[in-house]
Amino acid sequence: DIVMTQSPDSLAVSLGERATIYCKSSQSVLYSSNYKNYLAWYQQKPGQPPKLLMYWASTRQSGVPDRFSGGGSGTDFTLTISSLQAEDVAVYYCQQYYDTPLTFGGGTKVEIQ
Amino acid sequence: EVQQLESGGGLVQPGGSLRLSCAASGFTFSDYAMSWVRQAPGKGLEWVSSIGGSGGSTFYADSVKGRFTISRDNSKNTLYLQMNSLRAEDTAVYYCAKDPRPNYCSSGVCYSFFDYWGQGTLVTVSS
Repeated sequence: DIVMTQSPDSLAVSLGERATIYCKSSQSVLYSSNYKNYLAWYQQKPGQPPKLLMYWASTRQSGVPDRFSGGGSGTDFTLTISSLQAEDVAVYYCQQYYDTPLTFGGGTKVEIQ
Repeated sequence: EVQQLESGGGLVQPGGSLRLSCAASGFTFSDYAMSWVRQAPGKGLEWVSSIGGSGGSTFYADSVKGRFTISRDNSKNTLYLQMNSLRAEDTAVYYCAKDPRPNYCSSGVCYSFFDYWGQGTLVTVSS
């Protein structure tokens, strides 16, 4: 199984400041035939289902604000919120879809400092 | 507007059974792979099972293989999860989730990510 490890577990950032979340996979999720990273990011607010933010590691889902960006390749990925807003308080998860079982990271809780 | 409404959760004793349903609307249901993802109270997300659009291919996490069965009725736009031999560790909110790629994994392996999720249904396994 591909193990997804997120860091940090929690992050407190001031409003308007940058927040960066890290996700590391135990093996590469870059598919060599199409050079795509099979990595997605989700945001989950309390009492709500997850919401897709990014797929193919860096493609923003329709409607997601451009302050969210995804980066990285192979085994190391980042989700960056360039200017944290109050509505961004949530838990963020990465997920690999390179192989089954599909696996998620443990989550990173983002709070306002 | 895409909607996915889960039902069928509740309290069940260890060893019991439940069938979850997910009624979908707002998209051509048969064109999309669907999955079940669960979340234990206060914990992270765990993929449970996926099914291709035609229903011909199904995949399971090892933790549920042999106990859970995923199926779909495309004439009713409904996804199901039959859960047997339930254990305390199956206690979770169960979400149905849709893959965004039409006609993906109709017969092959489903390596899915998820663009729409239902609100979830809580399954509690306890005596």
